[in-house]
Amino acid sequence: ELKVEQNPLFLSMQEGKNYTIYCNYSTTSDRLYWYRQDPGKSLESLFVLLSNGAVKQEGRLMASLDTKARLSTLHITAAVHDLSATYFCAVEGTGTASKLTFGTGTRLQVTL
Amino acid sequence: KAGVTQTPRYLIKTRGQQVTLSCSPISGHRSVSWYQQTPGQGLQFLFEYFSETQRNKGNFPGRFSGRQFSNSRSEMNVSTLELGDSALYLCASAAQVEETQYFGPGTRLLVL
Repeated sequence: ELKVEQNPLFLSMQEGKNYTIYCNYSTTSDRLYWYRQDPGKSLESLFVLLSNGAVKQEGRLMASLDTKARLSTLHITAAVHDLSATYFCAVEGTGTASKLTFGTGTRLQVTL
Repeated sequence: KAGVTQTPRYLIKTRGQQVTLSCSPISGHRSVSWYQQTPGQGLQFLFEYFSETQRNKGNFPGRFSGRQFSNSRSEMNVSTLELGDSALYLCASAAQVEETQYFGPGTRLLVL
């Protein structure tokens, strides 16, 4: 059974600082997604990572994938308050297309 | 292009009742998936439909069922509601299987 672990669960950081969220998964995966969720809202797609070594960047967020280590990271550069949200990684297991297994989420709070 | 829409947005039911939730995918999308989000269990996959066929099913009891219509709209039904069914139910659509899923705003169900 595919398991996805995210850490940390909660992250409080000051504006301007850098930090990384980690996502480990237990079995071979076809693809990995990062989503953002604001309080009371739905999930917003941030990145999809398809292959080993994939790196994608959008603004202050950069995601990478190491399929050999079964690890993805979401790096936040020079955080701003608007990035405060909960971030989820989700993994699509091999042979189970469209069935996403989500991590526990990382609640990010960026303070002034 | 309009996003995924879900109706109703909020629902209050009592134990033992049944409920039907509706999801209209993004125009042209043929894959529809359903997820349950609770504070305790996080985001869990319920089922996925493609071209009116259920392709994947999560580990939920038979009280949870769904279907997809020829226009790709989907409904999920929960019978004999239990208190633990209180959750945010999210629908997601994708153009094809193995493509990025885009989530709707969700239906928040409260079972009293």
